[in-house]
Amino acid sequence: KNEVEQSPQNLTAQEGEFITINCSYSVGISALHWLQQHPGGGIVSLFMLSSGKKKHGRLIATINIQEKHSSLHITASHPRDSAVYICAPDRDSNYQLIWGAGTKLIIKP
Amino acid sequence: GAVVSQHPSRVICKSGTSVKIECRSLDFQATTMFWYRQFPKQSLMLMATSNEGSKATYEQGVEKDKFLINHASLTLSTLTVTSAHPEDSSFYICSARVGASEAFFGQGTRLTVV
Repeated sequence: KNEVEQSPQNLTAQEGEFITINCSYSVGISALHWLQQHPGGGIVSLFMLSSGKKKHGRLIATINIQEKHSSLHITASHPRDSAVYICAPDRDSNYQLIWGAGTKLIIKP
Repeated sequence: GAVVSQHPSRVICKSGTSVKIECRSLDFQATTMFWYRQFPKQSLMLMATSNEGSKATYEQGVEKDKFLINHASLTLSTLTVTSAHPEDSSFYICSARVGASEAFFGQGTRLTVV
């Protein structure tokens, strides 16, 4: 069983829809990262969180440490949000990230 | 956020030659840098972890003599692919962190070996 499970693997939605991507993990962690990989390959750090909820613009990330679960939400989705979103918990022993398989999101106009 | 600059963004080289990829943290001093490779439609795969002034720690299955990593300063790490072969063609990307802080990524390097 993978240490990190993301769902869904692929998601296609219409512009304006509310998007939720889920992440479950099976190991103890100190923090969890949500990352965005653009079609060209570049990776942007969206959030790093260890408890509760963070919000940045139209993006919201939540984490429940007890349940080992995190979610990324996108409100009022836009075609420019189309990318691969990756959940990556922190392996706190050596600062390495444990990589989820990613969720490929396509927002249609 | 902090900026990590990776260069070059694309490189084409002949089989048997060596290629050096640079990763610089422009506005912070990175205690740890990570090198990843990614094949099409796959997740990033960690190749090695490097700390300034010490030898890199390679992941199982990654040949340290083929993928030379030098972390000479707190702002610069280099990955040299030696005697490159077509199977080394891939997307290579670096990441830099200060301790357990947020991770910042370079733009990536698309290597094609012909």
